Amino acid sequence: DAKTTQPPSMDCAEGRAANLPCNHSTISGNEYVYWYRQIHSQGPQYIIHGLKNNETNEMASLIITEDRKSSTLILPHATLRDTAVYYCIAPPPTSNTGNQFYFGTGTSLTVIP
Amino acid sequence: EPEVTQTPSHQVTQMGQEVILRCVPISNHLYFYWYRQILGQKVEFLVSFYNNEISEKSEIFDDQFSVERPDGSNFTLKIRSTKLEDSAMYFCASRVPRGSYNEQFFGPGTRLTVL
Repeated sequence: DAKTTQPPSMDCAEGRAANLPCNHSTISGNEYVYWYRQIHSQGPQYIIHGLKNNETNEMASLIITEDRKSSTLILPHATLRDTAVYYCIAPPPTSNTGNQFYFGTGTSLTVIP
Repeated sequence: EPEVTQTPSHQVTQMGQEVILRCVPISNHLYFYWYRQILGQKVEFLVSFYNNEISEKSEIFDDQFSVERPDGSNFTLKIRSTKLEDSAMYFCASRVPRGSYNEQFFGPGTRLTVL
């Protein structure tokens, strides 16, 4: 896995955009970047993933730098329910056997009313 | 929307007892995983399972642990003789092999408390 680095915590005002950065400077050319979040002690929830291009879905946008050494997850209009720990993960390509995830400590996002 | 389910949601056991945690992965998924999370710590990989055998396992997954897919739907994690330090949330996950797509779907977890 490529090592990922995230700030331990962030605050965001409700209704504003939350921008969560992730550094993955050792990522290889065919390793995707995945974002998950964990609310309280619930199971991690998939948010989005990308390889090179920026991606958007109904939950978030993912901006990946051209050199792929970092990315930013954007929650466009944060709500109180977005308060969670957000994980950036870069597992090996799926040609490997298990393709398990190795979670770091993530970023604890607190959305403030 | 299909989802991974886990039972029980909370299991309390005495040290030294055997426990079996159960998971029902999403029906067309072929890769299965167990992770655990000790309170306040990171989510840790335990084991991956594909084609009825273990693909990879971590150092945590010693001979006290075993996994099984006894039928076409269930995926179980057995801890033979529980220790206090096995107290944690245990998450099952599954995915469908689809090229380079590796989205894993996680269950809600089983909270294991060893007394």
